[in-house]
Amino acid sequence: AQKITQTQPGMFVQEKEAVTLDCTYDTSDQSYGLFWYKQPSSGEMIFLIYQGSYDEQNATEGRYSLNFQKARKSANLVISASQLGDSAMYFCAMREGGGGTSYGKLTFGQGTILTVHP
Amino acid sequence: GAVVSQHPSWVICKSGTSVKIECRSLDFQATTMFWYRQFPKQSLMLMATSNEGSKATYEQGVEKDKFLINHASLTLSTLTVTSAHPEDSSFYICSAPTRQGGLWGYTFGSGTRLTVV
Repeated sequence: AQKITQTQPGMFVQEKEAVTLDCTYDTSDQSYGLFWYKQPSSGEMIFLIYQGSYDEQNATEGRYSLNFQKARKSANLVISASQLGDSAMYFCAMREGGGGTSYGKLTFGQGTILTVHP
Repeated sequence: GAVVSQHPSWVICKSGTSVKIECRSLDFQATTMFWYRQFPKQSLMLMATSNEGSKATYEQGVEKDKFLINHASLTLSTLTVTSAHPEDSSFYICSAPTRQGGLWGYTFGSGTRLTVV
């Protein structure tokens, strides 16, 4: 079964508008971490934001926020005030197990290609 | 912050030859390195996990004899694609767990685009 699912292969947004990239996950662990990465055409993986399963508040980092709905097992990324430079592929990833004492492997979703139009 | 230096950035090799990809951790010790493979516009698929001083753990379906992983020191992990064929053409990227603000995160190399002709 797919552990991380991104159902939007491609998304388009107008510059300065907000956009939500969907991510759902499946795990039986109580402790896990959710990550979002941006991958521009150069291929580098740029860390955007992290949400721990026990974090009560949604994570925010500048223009990025994570809409964490634990009961629905969803961790959507919201990008506010889109910029042309936001055009890239975006990956949701999950680490099962706590992030305080251990590091496990990351499992990635299929990715969403975001295109920002001027 | 922590940096993982990955070389080469791109390589073109002839079918049947071997290619070595290096990932070096700068300013920190990487006891573990994750190796991923990515086809165009697809997800990152974990190939193997290397641990310094021990044998790598390969994911199901990954040929151990074809993708040789060595983690001989705390700052260097290598992936060698042996007897490369065109179907091995892909983007390979490494990632080391790094401690960030009390939690474990991941630092990625810049990736290697391999083209086998």
